[in-house]
Amino acid sequence: SQTIHQWPATLVQPVGSPLSLECTVEGTSNPNLYWYRQAAGRGLQLLFYSVGIGQISSEVPQNLSASRPQDRQFILSSKKLLLSDSGFYLCAWRSPGGDQPQHFGDGTRLSIL
Amino acid sequence: KNQVEQSPQSLIILEGKNCTLQCNYTVSPFSNLRWYKQDTGRGPVSLTIMTFSENTKSNGRYTATLDADTKQSSLHITASQLSDSASYICVVRERSNDYKLSFGAGTTVTVRA
Repeated sequence: SQTIHQWPATLVQPVGSPLSLECTVEGTSNPNLYWYRQAAGRGLQLLFYSVGIGQISSEVPQNLSASRPQDRQFILSSKKLLLSDSGFYLCAWRSPGGDQPQHFGDGTRLSIL
Repeated sequence: KNQVEQSPQSLIILEGKNCTLQCNYTVSPFSNLRWYKQDTGRGPVSLTIMTFSENTKSNGRYTATLDADTKQSSLHITASQLSDSASYICVVRERSNDYKLSFGAGTTVTVRA
């Protein structure tokens, strides 16, 4: 069966520090991968998606970047965190095509001090 | 701009009672609509998917309806249980768009004994 792992579960970082959140998927190949941010009282905001290794599309301009060094690994990064980067970050995967659902990880709660 | 509006924002119900959540959308062209359940501190999990030709679909005590003409959907929870306490998110997908989803802000349901 397929599983998605996202870590860390919680993270507290000072303003200006770097960030690296990792997401890995098991049990499937060539998945579409997604990074979302979820703010309280608002819908999930798509940050990045990837349809293959090294292929990254950004949805909104921001202080973050994403990379996909391996087929089932998706990394969210920042060189210098801002206070506004605080939030709940979710990674998801989906089989390409058809009406397959997105499968979400359990998220990372990021707090910037 | 594609939008998904959910109501109510939150509700409290007694264990064993029923409730109905609403979702209105403007996404076009429409492909499908999913309801997700998100437990606190976890990632969303798909409950049901509704395509253009479907009016009603059940998953256990959850029943989703879709009126594609009025662009409205509902999620009915029957005989609520404490484990139904969660956020319920309506997600609409555009036709011919594999990655672009529109998320509602969710309805937070609290079931009390």
